[in-house]
Amino acid sequence: EAQVTQNPRYLITVTGKKLTVTCSQNMNHEYMSWYRQDPGLGLRQIYYSMNVEVTDKGDVPEGYKVSRKEKRNFPLILESPSPNQTSLYFCASRTGISTDTQYFGPGTRLTVL
Amino acid sequence: AQSVTQLDSHVSVSEGTPVLLRCNYSSSYSPSLFWYVQHPNKGLQLLLKYTSAATLVKGINGFEAEFKKSETSFHLTKPSAHMSDAAEYFCVVSDLTGGFKTIFGAGTRLFVKA
Repeated sequence: EAQVTQNPRYLITVTGKKLTVTCSQNMNHEYMSWYRQDPGLGLRQIYYSMNVEVTDKGDVPEGYKVSRKEKRNFPLILESPSPNQTSLYFCASRTGISTDTQYFGPGTRLTVL
Repeated sequence: AQSVTQLDSHVSVSEGTPVLLRCNYSSSYSPSLFWYVQHPNKGLQLLLKYTSAATLVKGINGFEAEFKKSETSFHLTKPSAHMSDAAEYFCVVSDLTGGFKTIFGAGTRLFVKA
């Protein structure tokens, strides 16, 4: 089954404790992306990757890191989480064609105390 | 630069009446435009997309949208609302002016009254 998986689905942590949210897709997609969703703001793009070792900033990259060492994986790293990073995070993937559909993971709900 | 404005944060309709969710966009080049739906506590699902072919696009569950370049609009419609349509809807734009960025609108929450 074609899918995007994220782990963990729920996470509660404390300020400053490094964490990683994993994202994996099995569709051989070139493009992968991370978004955060906050009430009244829709989804905002954090980082995206056009292919292995190619990443770029979205609209809200501050406080986040990403890496793309393998085509299927695109982890999101919070080196020193803060309460304003409490949010619902989605990973997505699509082919390299911008008109193609993005497939979204189920979401990770992160709470930073 | 790209931008998307969803003109209503909330829309309420009665079951069986038409649905109109409004979206305006800004884009320097021919954009790709999408509507996604998010049901409560669920992920995002593609409803339909415009990619410079037909200006009237039909999607799943009876939804359709019309691309109007002169008005820079991509409004979502459905002739008859169903209770199961209650969800949040996002208009999305993607074009090469923003690199390969994807811009979401703030969302419109649709309420359907019995």
